[in-house]
Amino acid sequence: DIQMTQSPSFVSASVGDRVTITCRASQGIGTWLAWYQQRPGKAPDLLIYVASSLQSGVPSRFSGSGSGTDFTLTITNLQPEDFATYYCQQSSSWPLTFGGGTKVE
Amino acid sequence: QLQVQESGPGLVKPSETLSLSCTVAGASISSSNQYWGWVRQPPGKGLEWIGSADYGGTTYYNPSLKSRLTISVDTSSNQVSLKLSSVTAADTAVYYCATYHAVYGWFDPWGQGILVTVSS
Repeated sequence: DIQMTQSPSFVSASVGDRVTITCRASQGIGTWLAWYQQRPGKAPDLLIYVASSLQSGVPSRFSGSGSGTDFTLTITNLQPEDFATYYCQQSSSWPLTFGGGTKVE
Repeated sequence: QLQVQESGPGLVKPSETLSLSCTVAGASISSSNQYWGWVRQPPGKGLEWIGSADYGGTTYYNPSLKSRLTISVDTSSNQVSLKLSSVTAADTAVYYCATYHAVYGWFDPWGQGILVTVSS
């Protein structure tokens, strides 16, 4: 199985900040990586797919980069609605796996 | 617009079988390149992929659950079912129905989730 490791687990930030979250795969996954945002009590929402493609309707302050084993989600000009937990997910091979999550608070 | 919605009991006794259904609306469950499946989230914890199936009967399961798990697709009712046997308290979680698009590797859309508690 491919293990996905996110860091940090928690990020303390303020409105207007730039936040960077890292996701590392235990083996190369090309660009088969998605990012999700989950607000408390809600289902996850897709933000980014194939590492850097922005899902329709997602604000442009969200961006993703990386390939192989190392990936980054960046949020510029953090907004109040961005305080949430973020997860990465690999789709290079079955079983599909998620990172442990990063809470932006 | 494609939507999915979970249904089923919110309380299951230990050692019994957890059974949930997911109704697919706005698209045919027989769509190609789409898998229908489940992701769960224990209270206060992260996301765990349970398994996915396509309309043709191809299934993929989380190895840690495979021995207890059955996911099936009913094209006549546009529903996906989940059966997890011999449950314990560790299976207490919010269970999400989630559509997996194999072309892009993403889960979207998700259902609102259903909390299933395993307790006597």
